[in-house]
Amino acid sequence: DQQVKQNSPSLSVQEGRISILNCDYTNSMFDYFLWYKKYPAEGPTFLISISSIKDKNEDGRFTVFLNKSAKHLSLHIVPSQPGDSAVYFCAASAYNNNDMRFGAGTRLTVKP
Amino acid sequence: DAGITQSPRHKVTETGTPVTLRCHQTENHRYMYWYRQDPGHGLRLIHYSYGVKDTDKGEVSDGYSVSRSKTEDFLLTLESATSSQTSVYFCAISEARGNVQPQHFGDGTRLSIL
Repeated sequence: DQQVKQNSPSLSVQEGRISILNCDYTNSMFDYFLWYKKYPAEGPTFLISISSIKDKNEDGRFTVFLNKSAKHLSLHIVPSQPGDSAVYFCAASAYNNNDMRFGAGTRLTVKP
Repeated sequence: DAGITQSPRHKVTETGTPVTLRCHQTENHRYMYWYRQDPGHGLRLIHYSYGVKDTDKGEVSDGYSVSRSKTEDFLLTLESATSSQTSVYFCAISEARGNVQPQHFGDGTRLSIL
């Protein structure tokens, strides 16, 4: 039962353009959402998070949007850079347990 | 980078043998986690610890046990390894519960069971 879904296994964008990565969840108890970036042979690196009391959080080129009614969140990267090429994981957790759930990941390729 | 060291980084072993993976942290964080990463599944929680000698099961705990005798070390044991446990294993740490602060990950252990 995959409670967090990333339906696009891959995404390719041109350098300088916007990258939009999407994530859907099914568990209405989730109240904290995160995005991680992962390079090959390394562990996931925390990128940005958002609490369910907000609908947007920005950190430099990265913005996460949360639509609770649709159970959907997205990560926007503007402008995209070749160094952003990595696998991006969406994750979610609930206030009542430590079991963070991850999506299967989206491989982003930013072309020069 | 968070001070997390996983050992070994790579291991190949045979079905039926015991395997222990170690996670060592220098951050003095209360919470420690073990995940496995498999294609199509993202990362799945195996076990976690919320203090010395305090552990609990995650989503995919069958076939695994853990121990935490010191704040800095969290061990994952496969008592009798099976081929289905071939995976990349990640350790993570956090200062607080997973729904208020992000977890930070080590670089992983690639385990192959033949």
